[in-house]
Amino acid sequence: AQRVTQPEKLLSVFKGAPVELKCNYSYSGSPELFWYVQYSRQRLQLLLRHISRESIKGFTADLNKGETSFHLKKPFAQEEDSAMYYCALKPLGLTGGGNKLTFGTGTQLKVEL
Amino acid sequence: NAGVTQTPKFRVLKTGQSMTLLCAQDMNHEYMYWYRQDPGMGLRLIHYSVGEGTTAKGEVPDGYNVSRLKKQNFLLGLESAAPSQTSVYFCASSSYRANYGYTFGSGTRLTVV
Repeated sequence: AQRVTQPEKLLSVFKGAPVELKCNYSYSGSPELFWYVQYSRQRLQLLLRHISRESIKGFTADLNKGETSFHLKKPFAQEEDSAMYYCALKPLGLTGGGNKLTFGTGTQLKVEL
Repeated sequence: NAGVTQTPKFRVLKTGQSMTLLCAQDMNHEYMYWYRQDPGMGLRLIHYSVGEGTTAKGEVPDGYNVSRLKKQNFLLGLESAAPSQTSVYFCASSSYRANYGYTFGSGTRLTVV
């Protein structure tokens, strides 16, 4: 079974400071990792997929298989980045099981002025 | 394009009452899911469906039933509500393609008193 751990419930940073939201996972096979974001009073939305190696809203995340991590980073935090962030895992390549995602417990990012 | 629509958005139930939450998607997605979101516990999968007429249990299925009679709709039922089922419920859908993420609904905030 897979597991996703987000060790920080709350992360508070000042505007312009670097941000790193931690995500560690345990899974015996090859994982596919995602970051989802939930802004206040809005629905969850996909932020990043590791497989696409993209940068969205200045955020990047690199899959480190050696450390089993998929940390989310941004060099300069903005006030509008304040939100709840969830890391999620799906076994790579398996579609018969319905693309089920396992979510972490989430980290609330607060960007202060 | 509405995406994923959940009804109702809010509901208060008395212990022992029953209700059904409706999820509708217009993206022709094969897979649909019901999650519950609780503070400190992230999102946990209740039930999911890989196609019309099929459902399967997730991580926390007890006390819930589901049905998917039409491809675009996924219903979540509570037969006898309990205070422990107070939560925010999210429906999501996804394509069978392995590397696509989920599209979420806006959530239903349920309080059982």
